[in-house]
Amino acid sequence: KNQVEQSPQSLIILEGKNCTLQCNYTVSPFSNLRWYKQDTGRGPVSLTIMTFSENTKSNGRYTATLDADTKQSSLHITASQLSDSASYICVVSGGSSASKIIFGSGTRLSIRP
Amino acid sequence: SAVISQKPSRDICQRGTSLTIQCQVDSQVTMMFWYRQQPGQSLTLIATANQGSEATYESGFVIDKFPISRPNLTFSTLTVSNMSPEDSSIYLCSVARGVETDTQYFGPGTRLTVL
Repeated sequence: KNQVEQSPQSLIILEGKNCTLQCNYTVSPFSNLRWYKQDTGRGPVSLTIMTFSENTKSNGRYTATLDADTKQSSLHITASQLSDSASYICVVSGGSSASKIIFGSGTRLSIRP
Repeated sequence: SAVISQKPSRDICQRGTSLTIQCQVDSQVTMMFWYRQQPGQSLTLIATANQGSEATYESGFVIDKFPISRPNLTFSTLTVSNMSPEDSSIYLCSVARGVETDTQYFGPGTRLTVL
């Protein structure tokens, strides 16, 4: 069964600290993996996209990694800011149909001043 | 990228009524989708809106409950019919310029509460 699991479910850290969010998937065949940021009351916004051959991609203070062998991805946030408070959703494309998109349940990140 | 607007942004409706949500994109796009996001949950795809033909629904969603229109490449509507409190959710429109697995751009969502 194609699944995307994220951990932790929620996380609270102090402003300025770093954190890492995890995403494990069982989707096969694999097409690409995206991390989205969803602010409260808004639609998700794409942060990064990685294909099978890519294992690291950065977008400012956000760095995503991908290990296609172990089917794991992480999103590392450096020097967190209050504006980083949001839900972070891992989305994997692939599956039995080439056009399948599977959403993770998200990690709710709260940054405290 | 794409700029997407949704109307209404939120609504409170009575049980048994219907609500139509509009999605407008600032430029022509190939793919348009409708998602539901229940409180504290991630997104669930309801259907792909096809221009000029019937929408393609995901398992668990039917046209009688969620009729969808897409008259052109920049506009779509989703109707939530005969609503019950279980339909209380955020409904999101998204678009992709190419194929479904391309980056999707999401609208701000419509927050629906059914009493």
